[in-house]
Amino acid sequence: ETGVTQTPRHLVMGMTNKKSLKCEQHLGHNAMYWYKQSAKKPLELMFVYNFKEQTENNSVPSRFSPECPNSSHLFLHLHTLQPEDSALYLCASSQDPSGANVLTFGAGSRLTVL
Amino acid sequence: DAKTTQPPSMDCAEGRAANLPCNHSTISGNEYVYWYRQIHSQGPQYIIHGLKNNETNEMASLIITEDRKSSTLILPHATLRDTAVYYCIVRSISSGSARQLTFGSGTQLTVLP
Repeated sequence: ETGVTQTPRHLVMGMTNKKSLKCEQHLGHNAMYWYKQSAKKPLELMFVYNFKEQTENNSVPSRFSPECPNSSHLFLHLHTLQPEDSALYLCASSQDPSGANVLTFGAGSRLTVL
Repeated sequence: DAKTTQPPSMDCAEGRAANLPCNHSTISGNEYVYWYRQIHSQGPQYIIHGLKNNETNEMASLIITEDRKSSTLILPHATLRDTAVYYCIVRSISSGSARQLTFGSGTQLTVLP
């Protein structure tokens, strides 16, 4: 596989469930990102990881917990979500933080919280 | 970062050139112009970027005015698959820690058959 792969593509969960979104990049990039895109709204950056270390957390609620075990994999653990958290969650990567303006995005995980 | 202004929507006939404008009158000397597009329910896709010279790649051409206050993304022969939201973003090349790339509302381009 090439590029940035996100799984699952669609997820429906209840407010008490625990689930995880997975992102894998096959580009040899060192920086990875989670973005959130709610309906009719611009993309919002959630987290940035650089060489597995978290370098940005844009005031994201603790019910979203990222994990970056290595430069190729990024997870978003979800727990006790609210219906307003329903959105398209996008993972992206870049060569390194200095190349953060050229991002490669995955196709996204469409999350619905009931 | 400099603010950008784009029309909210545009139509283009299939096979014709699509010219998408972007105003960035407050751009500073070290800021580049980037273009991305997002096809419905997919992740954004990087298209092209430039500083002051016109740029061309396999996807599009970027024309930046001499005063750099505006630019135009040109899709030379638009197809139905080019229907998407197109984002114009102005940012400096950062060094060191990662910085946020801000996507605005963009231009919804609809290619008509």
